[in-house]
Amino acid sequence: EVQLVESGGALVQPGGSLRLSCVASGFTFSSHDMHWVRQVTGKGLEWVSIIGIAGDTYYADSVKGRFTASRENGKNSLYLEMNNLRVGDTAVYYCVSLAVTDDAGFDVWGQGTMVTVSS
Amino acid sequence: QSALPQPRSVSGSPGQSVTISCTGTSRDVGGYDYVSWYQQHPGKVPKLIIYDVNNRPSGVPDRFSGSKSGNTASLTISGLQAEDEADYYCCSYAGLYVVFGEGTKVTVL
Repeated sequence: EVQLVESGGALVQPGGSLRLSCVASGFTFSSHDMHWVRQVTGKGLEWVSIIGIAGDTYYADSVKGRFTASRENGKNSLYLEMNNLRVGDTAVYYCVSLAVTDDAGFDVWGQGTMVTVSS
Repeated sequence: QSALPQPRSVSGSPGQSVTISCTGTSRDVGGYDYVSWYQQHPGKVPKLIIYDVNNRPSGVPDRFSGSKSGNTASLTISGLQAEDEADYYCCSYAGLYVVFGEGTKVTVL
């Protein structure tokens, strides 16, 4: 079964840091660009970052300079290091392989992990 | 990197057709044939219903169809059914990044 499982979400104070993890199974993780997408409760989807199969990364302006995506293909794992967190970063964070950067409609979402930034 | 404008809500009676627009620019929707559409029911993970502008994944009913003209992509739901009531998001490749639409709530009257 093709699957993505995120972990690491937590309650953190403004200015704090957090590391999210995502483990892939059921597909060749190393052959796919991977994304982080977030969603504030009751609001829309927001693209956060992409990491290519070669490890190249790009970020939304809202997180650039604060978030860092990385991957360990040998462990089928994707990570998101989040620093200097703000209240506005509160959201469910999804690990995703998006169809817009993949072939033949390959599209897989994790169940999401909740990040709450609050004092 | 602003969200792509979509109508906030559309509605229709069972059996009717509704169309949702997703307005981009030549740097995203108009520049690539990599537009997807997602359906999201409350409390659920988004589900892919259209990819590469007008392709349906296996298992998605053919009442869902996608198209693109210039910088605007569209999703049409023909023969609206009660279970189609959900939020719908477009998603476009934009070179070095990806952008989602603002989302549209579809209500089945």
